[in-house]
Amino acid sequence: SQQGEEDPQALSIQEGENATMNCSYKTSINNLQWYRQNSGRGLVHLILIRSNEREKHSGRLRVTLDTSKKSSSLLITASRAADTASYFCATDEGSNDYKLSFGAGTTVTVRA
Amino acid sequence: DAGVIQSPRHEVTEMGQEVTLRCKLISGHNSLFWYRQTMMRGLELLIYFNNNVPIDDSGMPEDRFSAKMPNASFSTLKIQPSEPRDSAVYFCASSLQGWSYNEQFFGPGTRLTVL
Repeated sequence: SQQGEEDPQALSIQEGENATMNCSYKTSINNLQWYRQNSGRGLVHLILIRSNEREKHSGRLRVTLDTSKKSSSLLITASRAADTASYFCATDEGSNDYKLSFGAGTTVTVRA
Repeated sequence: DAGVIQSPRHEVTEMGQEVTLRCKLISGHNSLFWYRQTMMRGLELLIYFNNNVPIDDSGMPEDRFSAKMPNASFSTLKIQPSEPRDSAVYFCASSLQGWSYNEQFFGPGTRLTVL
């Protein structure tokens, strides 16, 4: 079963707007990662946030983690057409550190 | 480095045929993951190798699926015999050490269609 679940399933925004998507998970984690998948391509790692971190930035990306609510959010600021992709959160399973569980993803469409 | 390389990129075969998917890891990486992606089930981990040794194959659907890592840089995933429900995109990913705090580098995937 999937550990992480993204919300919303799909998001359509205008270029220049911000995009926010959320991820909820069920069990304790060591860290949470976000990946991007462009259509017909493999997943690309975006950012990792550890369980003892609350917020992390990378360029136009901002990730938050609330372990008390078992949730994370990914914010893409000033979106571009090239940000059109599916975004997945991936969580480990605690004891099995190597094993990542991916959510179903949020499909983001950025309109020019 | 060219990244993770997978071949073929597309495979169309008939039910009952043997299918072999190939993956070349990034040089220096010692962990390999095979995933399957479908609309219905999302991304599922099939098997995980660390230092050429299969550590977790609990995601392998059934005995028709087998995976090998004959050397540190190469892996195969074989389906024999293939069935229409095996149609999916198969990804391999590599990483250093294999612990989740290391990012996984995904290949471009093999789109398998079993008729």
